[in-house]
Amino acid sequence: GAGVSQSPSNKVTEKGKDVELRCDPISGHTALYWYRQSLGQGLEFLIYFQGNSAPDKSGLPSDRFSAERTGGSVSTLTIQRTQQEDSAVYLCASGHRDRGSSPLHFGNGTRLTVT
Amino acid sequence: GESVGLHLPTLSVQEGDNSIINCAYSNSASDYFIWYKQESGKGPQFIIDIRSNMDKRQGQRVTVLLNKTVKHLSLQIAATQPGDSAVYFCAENIRGYSTLTFGKGTMLLVSP
Repeated sequence: GAGVSQSPSNKVTEKGKDVELRCDPISGHTALYWYRQSLGQGLEFLIYFQGNSAPDKSGLPSDRFSAERTGGSVSTLTIQRTQQEDSAVYLCASGHRDRGSSPLHFGNGTRLTVT
Repeated sequence: GESVGLHLPTLSVQEGDNSIINCAYSNSASDYFIWYKQESGKGPQFIIDIRSNMDKRQGQRVTVLLNKTVKHLSLQIAATQPGDSAVYFCAENIRGYSTLTFGKGTMLLVSP
């Protein structure tokens, strides 16, 4: 079946602009995560959605970052007033985290470049 | 500091050799571990996982070993192929938490 789909694959924006990144998780997966990966670095947790529960926003680096998950499926990560340090690959992952330990399945990410 | 880290940032091997990628973790409450492979321009791809009640698990050409005494995790790749060239990440799940914590990764370079 289809994997995690992210769009756009690349986004170039000017400093100060807002951007929206989209994630379509694997159908049936109740858990959805956003991670950020800077060049040559590991993955930094941003936010986690599980079913209808309140999201875990503990990883969001500032109040310029927000995310929504509509209908328990598609998610949008919004970055307002982008800064150059926001340049990174933003990865979305989904899984069955409500079934205990299980792997996450990642999309190919959105590469964000802030000029 | 990070809970999960890697000993070697880059590992270069010849095709056909066996590769061993190591990972240290510091949280004794971690009960689930995963290895991911990430090729350039792609997202991390699940390779193999292991729960803390096990010390070894085998997949196709890959084996994960878990040593809870010294908090060490390793990924062994048998008969390494050029297609195995990628960055490998270990990730841990701390019991009671829903997120995975990732290390910085090890780049594996396989020469033909």
